Amino acid sequence: SQQGEEDPQALSIQEGENATMNCSYKTSINNLQWYRQNSGRGLVHLILIRSNEREKHSGRLRVTLDTSKKSSSLLITASRAADTASYFCATSYSGNTGKLIFGQGTTLQVKP
Amino acid sequence: ETGVTQTPRHLVMGMTNKKSLKCEQHLGHNAMYWYKQSAKKPLELMFVYNFKEQTENNSVPSRFSPECPNSSHLFLHLHTLQPEDSALYLCASSHVGRGGASTGELFFGEGSRLTVL
Repeated sequence: SQQGEEDPQALSIQEGENATMNCSYKTSINNLQWYRQNSGRGLVHLILIRSNEREKHSGRLRVTLDTSKKSSSLLITASRAADTASYFCATSYSGNTGKLIFGQGTTLQVKP
Repeated sequence: ETGVTQTPRHLVMGMTNKKSLKCEQHLGHNAMYWYKQSAKKPLELMFVYNFKEQTENNSVPSRFSPECPNSSHLFLHLHTLQPEDSALYLCASSHVGRGGASTGELFFGEGSRLTVL
C-alpha cells in the first residue's frame, strides 16, 4: 500500500499542551499534506510541505518532513478544545496525476 | 464554506433503489474527485476527473457510476447497492496543470452520509 500511516491512532491531551502526530509513507513524494476533519464533516486542508522542504509553519501548526526516513510530523502548540478533530496526512506521489493517498488518521481529543 | 457543495447531506436507500449524489464546486477548479470514508478505514479514492475526463477508476464496483458533465459538477449514480456501501461519500476539487499534475490542496465538500438498508 502507498498510503501514509499515522501514529498514534488516538491522542488525548489537556488544553494548553502540545500535540504531536506522525506520518510515515512508502515511496517518493511530490508533497505531503495535512488535513483536519471534525466529526461527520468534510476535510479541511491545513498545510502542504513539498519534498524539497524540511519544515513549515502556519500559526500554531508546525510540520516537518524527513524524506530520508519517509516521515512527517504535525505539531499543534498550545492546543485548544476546538482543536479536537481527526487529523490526516496525505501524500502526492511522484509521477502521479493529482490524486492524494490518505492515511487512517489520528483522533485528537483536547480536554478543557 | 469551502466552495464545494454536496447534496444530499444524508441519504437512506434500499438495496433496489436508484439514487444520485451531487457535487458542485464554485472555485474554478478543473479536477474533481469522489472519496469513500468508511468507519475505521482510510479514505478510499474512487474516481478522478481531470478536465471532465475520467483519469482514475480505483477498481470501484459498477453499481457506482460517476458522471462529470462539466468541470463544476460531479455526480455519483447509485444502484443496487449493498449494506457495506454505507459510508460518508466525499467530493473534492483541485486545480491541476495541463499535464495532469495537481498544484496542491484538495477542497472537500461536507459529504453525503449514505445508509443502505
